[in-house]
Amino acid sequence: DIVLTQTPLPPVTLGQPASISCRSSQSLVHSDGNTYLSWLQQRPGQPPRLLIYKVSNRIAAVPDRFSASGAGTDFTLKISRVEAEDVGVYYCMQATQFPPMYTFGQGTKLEIK
Amino acid sequence: EVQVVQSGGGLVQPGGSLRLSCTGSGFTFSNFWMTWVRQAPGKGLEWVANIKQDGSAKFYVDSVKGRFTVSRDNAKNLVFLQMNSLRDEDTAVYYCAREYKNNDDSFDYWGQGALVTVSS
Repeated sequence: DIVLTQTPLPPVTLGQPASISCRSSQSLVHSDGNTYLSWLQQRPGQPPRLLIYKVSNRIAAVPDRFSASGAGTDFTLKISRVEAEDVGVYYCMQATQFPPMYTFGQGTKLEIK
Repeated sequence: EVQVVQSGGGLVQPGGSLRLSCTGSGFTFSNFWMTWVRQAPGKGLEWVANIKQDGSAKFYVDSVKGRFTVSRDNAKNLVFLQMNSLRDEDTAVYYCAREYKNNDDSFDYWGQGALVTVSS
C-alpha cells in the first residue's frame, strides 16, 4: 500500500510564506500518465475542502496565494502569504492506487505564531 | 449550488448497527461516484468506501470489509453506509463526499459529517 508522509510545520507569522511537503512511498504516476495527488484543507470544526487536484490544479474558489507542485514521489503545497483564515490541517491524498483504495497523508497543522 | 448533506449518526453499542445517509443536490447525482471518509477523534482522514454511479462497483478499506455496505438510490439522490458489527475503533466522524473522476480522481464536495460513537 502507498504511504504518504507529510512534514510538520512550525508556527508561521502572518504574511509570511509556508510550505508543506508530502512524500509518497511509491511513484504516484498512474498508468494513464496522470498523477492523482490532491491537497485538502480542514479548518477547525469543518469538513475537509478540496484545494488542489492532480498535483497543481487549483480549485476555482481557492485564493491564488495557494500553489502546489511536484512529481513522482515528492509534492509540495505552498502558501505565499499566510492569512488567519488559513489555520487548520492540510492533507495530501493519492488516488493513483484506486482501485482498490485511496490514501491520505497524516496531516500537517498550520498555526499562526 | 452543489450540496452534500448527511444524516444519521449517534451512539451505538459494540456489535450494533447504524446506517448513515447522504443526499446530493445541485448536480446530476447518478453521474458521480460517491465516497465515505472517516476521522477518528483527534486523528487524520481515512477513506472507508465508495460506490460507482450505477452501484455496480463498490470498494472498501480492509478494516470494514464484510461489516460495512455502501449502497445508493439514484431516484432519491441518496447514498447509504450500513455499518454492522461495530467496534470501538469505528468511532469517528463520517463524511460523505462526491468524487470527481473526469480526467481526475478527487473528492470535490463534502458533507458536514456525522458522528458515530461506539461505546457500551
